[in-house]
Amino acid sequence: DQQVKQNSPSLSVQEGRISILNCDYTNSMFDYFLWYKKYPAEGPTFLISISSIKDKNEDGRFTVFLNKSAKHLSLHIVPSQPGDSAVYFCAASVQGAQKLVFGQGTRLTINP
Amino acid sequence: DGGITQSPKYLFRKEGQNVTLSCEQNLNHDAMYWYRQDPGQGLRLIYYSQIVNDFQKGDIAEGYSVSREKKESFPLTVTSAQKNPTAFYLCASSIARRKDRYGYTFGSGTRLTVV
Repeated sequence: DQQVKQNSPSLSVQEGRISILNCDYTNSMFDYFLWYKKYPAEGPTFLISISSIKDKNEDGRFTVFLNKSAKHLSLHIVPSQPGDSAVYFCAASVQGAQKLVFGQGTRLTINP
Repeated sequence: DGGITQSPKYLFRKEGQNVTLSCEQNLNHDAMYWYRQDPGQGLRLIYYSQIVNDFQKGDIAEGYSVSREKKESFPLTVTSAQKNPTAFYLCASSIARRKDRYGYTFGSGTRLTVV
């Protein structure tokens, strides 16, 4: 049972435009959401997070939006840069639990 | 600098053999985790440990075993019972009660190939 889903395996965006990565979840007990970025043969690195008490969090070029009623979150990257080309994982956790549940990942390619 | 180290980076194993992947952290983190990455399936939790001498099965524990004799170390053994062991294995650690950027740290991974 996939509790966190990233339905787009890949996304291609032109440099300078906006990249929008989507994530859906089914467990209403999730209260904290994170995005990780991963390059090939490396471990994921933290990008941005959001608590369920918020609906938006910004950090520089990265913004995460949370729609609890739709059980949906999205990551916006603007402007997109070549170094943003990587696999992006959405993750979620239940209150009181330390472990994270990950989505399948979306491979983002930024074209010059 | 503190960090989490996985070794080796690449590992080849013959069918029927057990193999152990190393994971060491010097971050003084309480919890440690093993994830497996397969194409199109994201990161799936194999085992996790929240304190020394205690660990719990994750979503895909069959064919794997772990130990947590020291806070710093959480080795993963891939046994011959694991039917499809070829994958990229990631170890992570976390500080209790922190899930933000300071909470979860990943190693650089071990790619295991069965030949």
